[in-house]
Amino acid sequence: SQQGEEDPQALSIQEGENATMNCSYKTSINNLQWYRQNSGRGLVHLILIRSNEREKHSGRLRVTLDTSKKSSSLLITASRAADTASYFCATDARGYSTLTFGKGTMLLVSP
Amino acid sequence: ETGVTQSPTHLIKTRGQQVTLRCSSQSGHNTVSWYQQALGQGPQFIFQYYREEENGRGNFPPRFSGLQFPNYSSELNVNALELDDSALYLCASSVGLLADNEQFFGPGTRLTVL
Repeated sequence: SQQGEEDPQALSIQEGENATMNCSYKTSINNLQWYRQNSGRGLVHLILIRSNEREKHSGRLRVTLDTSKKSSSLLITASRAADTASYFCATDARGYSTLTFGKGTMLLVSP
Repeated sequence: ETGVTQSPTHLIKTRGQQVTLRCSSQSGHNTVSWYQQALGQGPQFIFQYYREEENGRGNFPPRFSGLQFPNYSSELNVNALELDDSALYLCASSVGLLADNEQFFGPGTRLTVL
């Protein structure tokens, strides 16, 4: 079963615009992670945010976490065509590395 | 590119057959997790191996089985294939069992069951 639900399912923007994706989950977590997947291939780890953190930055990525609402958001600033991919949030309920993924958001960035 | 490799890249089988998928973990990693990703869905956890022992299992039937070798590479075996087993199978390697330790995913094996 899927733990998280990403919103929106698909997002289409122009290069230079910001992209925001949201993730909601059902059970308590220790960490929440975001991954990127290009064309149905392997997943690339983007960022991990711990349950006691509220915001984290990495380059053009900004992740927020609201444990009271069981939700997270991923913001990609100044998007590029190379950011076109599917983005997934993943949670680990027990602090162990067995991840539960959402269904993902497909992001299309047009030149 | 991570140091995780999977073979084969693509595979076509017929219903009822058996399949073995292979994963070579990144050097120094002793944990391998397997995920199934159906089209349009997120990956679903199948099972995890740590130091050659199964360390957890998702909601998959016993016909999904696995193995981890002393060099920490791993196999996923699926018996009595069903059409719904068609999916991308991903393995991920990491060090230890804590989720703080980054998991590195392989490129996946695309299995088609006819």
